[in-house]
Amino acid sequence: DTGVSQNPRHKITKRGQNVTFRCDPISEHNRLYWYRQTLGQGPEFLTYFQNEAQLEKSRLLSDRFSAERPKGSFSTLEIQRTEQGDSAMYLCASSLVRGNTGELFFGEGSRLTVL
Amino acid sequence: AQSVTQLGSHVSVSEGALVLLRCNYSSSVPPYLFWYVQYPNQGLQLLLKYTSAATLVKGINGFEAEFKKSETSFHLTKPSAHMSDAAEYFCAVSDAGSARQLTFGSGTQLTVLP
Repeated sequence: DTGVSQNPRHKITKRGQNVTFRCDPISEHNRLYWYRQTLGQGPEFLTYFQNEAQLEKSRLLSDRFSAERPKGSFSTLEIQRTEQGDSAMYLCASSLVRGNTGELFFGEGSRLTVL
Repeated sequence: AQSVTQLGSHVSVSEGALVLLRCNYSSSVPPYLFWYVQYPNQGLQLLLKYTSAATLVKGINGFEAEFKKSETSFHLTKPSAHMSDAAEYFCAVSDAGSARQLTFGSGTQLTVLP
C-alpha cells in the first residue's frame, strides 16, 4: 500500500494560467476527496467522488475549478484562469465506503503559488 | 451543520510537560471526531478517532482524547511532550450518520521548548 499520491508537489504559475493537479488514491478506496488549505487555516472541503460520480461540491468550488475521476481511480483538479487567491495547498484524501468510520487518508498535498 | 472550534492557535510547552490541546464541536447529530497532525509541507496524519465506542480514545505517539458529550469537547492530551511532537494539530468532525466529509478546526500550532 503506497498511500495517497499527489503531483506535482509544488506548482508556481502566473496569474491567468491554467493548472492541473493529479491524485492517486489508495487502490481499494472508492471515495476520493479534495480539500484546500490556506496558510494558518484548517483544510476546507471542496468536493468528493464515490467511484466516478461527483456526489458533492462546496460553494468554494467556483466555475473556474473542475474535478474529474473518469474511471473511478485517479482524479484531477483543474483550475482555470488562476488568481492570486487560489494560492493554497490542495489536499487529496481517500476512504472506503463499506465500514467507513469517517477516517480519511491524506496525501502530502500540492502547493500552488500564483504570482 | 457541523463546526469545530480549537481554542488557542499557538500552544507552547516545555519538553516533558503535559500537552493539552482544546477542541469543542457543534453537531446536530451524533458525531465522529478526529485529531490529525500535520508536519511542515506534509499532509495530515490521523492521531486518533472517536466513533461512539469508548469515550477515552488512545492514539499514536502517546496521545489520547476524551469525548465529553455534556461539554461538546474532545480535548487532546499527552502526559509528557517530546521535541518531535512540535507540529500543527487539527480537530475534525463528521456526521456519524453518513460519515462523508470532515469539517476541520483552524488548527493549533504546538511548540515544544527544550
